[in-house]
Amino acid sequence: GAGVSQSPSNKVTEKGKDVELRCDPISGHTALYWYRQSLGQGLEFLIYFQGNSAPDKSGLPSDRFSAERTGGSVSTLTIQRTQQEDSAVYLCASSWAGTGEETQYFGPGTRLLVL
Amino acid sequence: AQSVTQLGSHVSVSEGALVLLRCNYSSSVPPYLFWYVQYPNQGLQLLLKYTTGATLVKGINGFEAEFKKSETSFHLTKPSAHMSDAAEYFCAVRPNSNSGYALNFGKGTSLLVTP
Repeated sequence: GAGVSQSPSNKVTEKGKDVELRCDPISGHTALYWYRQSLGQGLEFLIYFQGNSAPDKSGLPSDRFSAERTGGSVSTLTIQRTQQEDSAVYLCASSWAGTGEETQYFGPGTRLLVL
Repeated sequence: AQSVTQLGSHVSVSEGALVLLRCNYSSSVPPYLFWYVQYPNQGLQLLLKYTTGATLVKGINGFEAEFKKSETSFHLTKPSAHMSDAAEYFCAVRPNSNSGYALNFGKGTSLLVTP
């Protein structure tokens, strides 16, 4: 079946602009995660959604970052007033129910470059 | 918080030689342990995971890893390297509890396979 998809695959923006990154999880997966991969920080957790529960936003680096998940499926990560340090690959993952031993399936990522 | 240490940011082996990628974690309670592989410009793919039971875990592409509680280690091995194994490898942990759902990743090890 189809895996996790993300769009766009690449995004170049100017400092100060807002960007939206999209994630389509695997059908039927109730848990959805956003991670950021950058040269200096490695792979960092950003935010986690599980069903209709309130999201775990503990990894968001600043209030410029927000995410929503509509209808328990597609998720959008929004970065407002982008800064150069936001340049990174943003990875989305999904899993069946969000339990600890589950495999998280990753999308190909969105490569964001802030000029 | 649990942390993951991957010794060696770069490892080079000859084709046909043993692959050994090291991973140590810090946790008072054994967590769930994962190895992911990332090929250039792609997302992360699960190689194998340890949750409970047998401590020697076999994964895809001939890789295996052994959970050693006494050494807090989860090293990844493959008896004979292939050129196609060249990639970035990430060790990750997740709490063995109902709190905390995100994966905590190591910094990654880049594997180079030479002819």
